Amino acid sequence: DQQVKQNSPSLSVQEGRISILNCDYTNSMFDYFLWYKKYPAEGPTFLISISSIKDKNEDGRFTVFLNKSAKHLSLHIVPSQPGDSAVYFCAASDFSSGSARQLTFGSGTQLTVLP
Amino acid sequence: ETGVTQSPTHLIKTRGQQVTLRCSSQSGHNTVSWYQQALGQGPQFIFQYYREEENGRGNFPPRFSGLQFPNYSSELNVNALELDDSALYLCASSLGGLAGNEQYFGPGTRLTVT
Repeated sequence: DQQVKQNSPSLSVQEGRISILNCDYTNSMFDYFLWYKKYPAEGPTFLISISSIKDKNEDGRFTVFLNKSAKHLSLHIVPSQPGDSAVYFCAASDFSSGSARQLTFGSGTQLTVLP
Repeated sequence: ETGVTQSPTHLIKTRGQQVTLRCSSQSGHNTVSWYQQALGQGPQFIFQYYREEENGRGNFPPRFSGLQFPNYSSELNVNALELDDSALYLCASSLGGLAGNEQYFGPGTRLTVT
């Protein structure tokens, strides 16, 4: 039972255009959402997060949108750069595991930004 | 500021053996979480340690165990290794067992069980 789903395994975008990565979740107890970027042979790198009390958070070229009624979030990257090419993971956070705030990850989307 | 480090980078073990993986937290962080990432999937939560106590556990059997030391470094131990334990093991540190929303990951240890 996948509680966090990233339905697009891959996405290709031209340099300078917008990249939109999508994520859906099923657990209404999730109250914090994060995006991580992962290059090969490295651990995931934290990008941006959003609390469930907000619907938008912006940090430079990265914006995360949260639609709680649809249980959907998206990451917008504008403008996309070749260095953004990586696997992007959506993660959701809650206290389902005792008192630990655990992260539940999607399966990732490989973003390729073409020069 | 020192980031999260893990050792070893790669490891090959035989089915039935035991393995210990190590993690040093980011400076100032007191919480460590361990994740298993199988090929083509997202990381899955194994357990979390806060101030040397297990603070929560995912859906992993008891042969997966851990420790956290006074300096907040941590170990993941896996007994009776199975072929399906082959994966990338990620350690993440954060501040505060209850309030650490952003977790910062190390580069991982690639474990291969043959």
